[in-house]
Amino acid sequence: GENVEQHPSTLSVQEGDSAVIKCTYSDSASNYFPWYKQELGKRPQLIIDIRSNVGEKKDQRIAVTLNKTAKHFSLHITETQPEDSAVYFCAASNPPNDMRFGAGTRLTVKP
Amino acid sequence: GAVVSQHPSRVICKSGTSVKIECRSLDFQATTMFWYRQFPKQSLMLMATSNEGSKATYEQGVEKDKFLINHASLTLSTLTVTSAHPEDSSFYICSAPRGRGGYTFGSGTRLTVV
Repeated sequence: GENVEQHPSTLSVQEGDSAVIKCTYSDSASNYFPWYKQELGKRPQLIIDIRSNVGEKKDQRIAVTLNKTAKHFSLHITETQPEDSAVYFCAASNPPNDMRFGAGTRLTVKP
Repeated sequence: GAVVSQHPSRVICKSGTSVKIECRSLDFQATTMFWYRQFPKQSLMLMATSNEGSKATYEQGVEKDKFLINHASLTLSTLTVTSAHPEDSSFYICSAPRGRGGYTFGSGTRLTVV
């Protein structure tokens, strides 16, 4: 089955700096790669996703890149703000099959 | 669109009792529902997959006699934690695939077993 690895587990950046979180996956059948932000005790909130037919997707300060050959994808947050502080999870799936999550990254943006 | 309603949001139960968690798709038919468990400061771990009208499939290490899953209709999937113990205390959340490759999540259930 799919195995998703995520790094780093914790990340601390200064406000205004960029943050990068990286994930790798194992199942070549996976073709959908979402990123979620999760507040404590709440459901994961989709912030951006990418499908395997593109290599990069951007939405304002957030971008995701995908390298299918190497089976890795990354989340890039530019101009970080304190409200970006949260736990971020990557995931991989071949919809409508199950989705597997990475271990999570706790991002702290220092004012 | 594609909303999943999950209840209860919080439940406290005594050790040895059973708790039922419901996930209901409100505006679409969920033929499949994924059940996840999340312990504090950990990731969402897939427990089982329920399919309408057939038996659920469980991930390795998940006791199917302890975590009973029923998906009797296209809009309702339930997870019953039987003979709950303190180590079952966790955040349980359901998810259903929706159109265009995405997934929709329930709001989660915080289970505390005392």
